[in-house]
Amino acid sequence: DVKVTQSSRYLVKRTGEKVFLECVQDMDHENMFWYRQDPGLGLRLIYFSYDVKMKEKGDIPEGYSVSREKKERFSLILESASTNQTSMYLCASSFAGRGLSPLHFGNGTRLTVT
Amino acid sequence: TQLLEQSPQFLSIQEGENLTVYCNSSSVFSSLQWYRQEPGEGPVLLVTVVTGGEVKKLKRLTFQFGDARKDSSLHITAAQPGDTGLYLCAGAPLIEAGNNRKLIWGLGTSLAVNP
Repeated sequence: DVKVTQSSRYLVKRTGEKVFLECVQDMDHENMFWYRQDPGLGLRLIYFSYDVKMKEKGDIPEGYSVSREKKERFSLILESASTNQTSMYLCASSFAGRGLSPLHFGNGTRLTVT
Repeated sequence: TQLLEQSPQFLSIQEGENLTVYCNSSSVFSSLQWYRQEPGEGPVLLVTVVTGGEVKKLKRLTFQFGDARKDSSLHITAAQPGDTGLYLCAGAPLIEAGNNRKLIWGLGTSLAVNP
């Protein structure tokens, strides 16, 4: 089974702190994603990476950055956390190539910024 | 901007009932996926439909892709408490066929099946 592991299930941070969310996948997937999930807004893509050191902005990249130094690991960085970044953060991975491959999600990190 | 509208937003039913969830758009998609998300977990893929008019069955779940590839439905027969969860549809725009980095997500249908 594909496993996508997010380092924390719950995080509480203060406004202005730098926050790191880590994600590791064990299936040699090329693609990795960071989404946030909010009631009434659904899943929104923050950043996407299709290869090591490669990244693309998603729909809501402002206030976030990412790092992919190794194929299996994709980190989301909140440079200066704000209360409007309180959310559920979901990491996902998938194979690249022809056809729509499944997204495999981690169990999420619920981040609260106070 | 392409949108996927899911209905109903919330559904609470008794065990044994049947239900249908809809995913509609004015845009054409190359393919569409359905995911289920249980509380405290990430979404898990149920099915991918690719061909207009396609029907796929997964035990008591029946998925249909509209002939024009603009809409999809999920029908559950004899719902069980284990079916409880958030059902999400996600479409791949035509221009990005096979590219799941541009998926368009519906807001989901939250289903509660009461014993």
